[in-house]
Amino acid sequence: EPEVTQTPSHQVTQMGQEVILRCVPISNHLYFYWYRQILGQKVEFLVSFYNNEISEKSEIFDDQFSVERPDGSNFTLKIRSTKLEDSAMYFCASSDLAVGETQYFGPGTRLLVL
Amino acid sequence: AQSVTQPDIHITVSEGASLELRCNYSYGATPYLFWYVQSPGQGLQLLLKYFSGDTLVQGIKGFEAEFKRSQSSFNLRKPSVHWSDAAEYFCAVRWTGNQFYFGTGTSLTVIP
Repeated sequence: EPEVTQTPSHQVTQMGQEVILRCVPISNHLYFYWYRQILGQKVEFLVSFYNNEISEKSEIFDDQFSVERPDGSNFTLKIRSTKLEDSAMYFCASSDLAVGETQYFGPGTRLLVL
Repeated sequence: AQSVTQPDIHITVSEGASLELRCNYSYGATPYLFWYVQSPGQGLQLLLKYFSGDTLVQGIKGFEAEFKRSQSSFNLRKPSVHWSDAAEYFCAVRWTGNQFYFGTGTSLTVIP
């Protein structure tokens, strides 16, 4: 069964450093998403991406964040200058249609900012 | 504002016992409803979903959920819990737009 994959599984970085989290969505999917889950809190929406542009973003997704689909398979989340509060599990998801469709989630990247 | 509530932070059940995990949502329009499960170190796996039609939906691993419009609820049930069901369970709701709104999750412990 096709699945969403994410790399790395864990990332430790120093405050102020840039990180890039990578995702490979399911191959025939057209919509891509990033969510985060701070330890002990709920999963929160960050951004959705379709047709090479952001279609929706939350208040969390400020100028420090950016997303890109650099090629036909990868979908990346960049945090330009990490803060301590960026420490979280980041989930990538994809879906093949927009309205009401199931989003399939990857295993997540655990980011720790020191 | 849209919100999803899972009132039970943690539930403990005996293996073989029945299970019900609660989920309530706010906002007027009928949403799309999902239950996901997260095992330790794993991602979110879809258990089941409701879009329309029959309000009782069947999912994987023997789970089912019932949509009750009058109560704005979408509770997850399983008649007989197995030790491997121990995990974190998340209710997710989608209204208009792309984003899912998640509840805070319910942690399930299964005792022998």
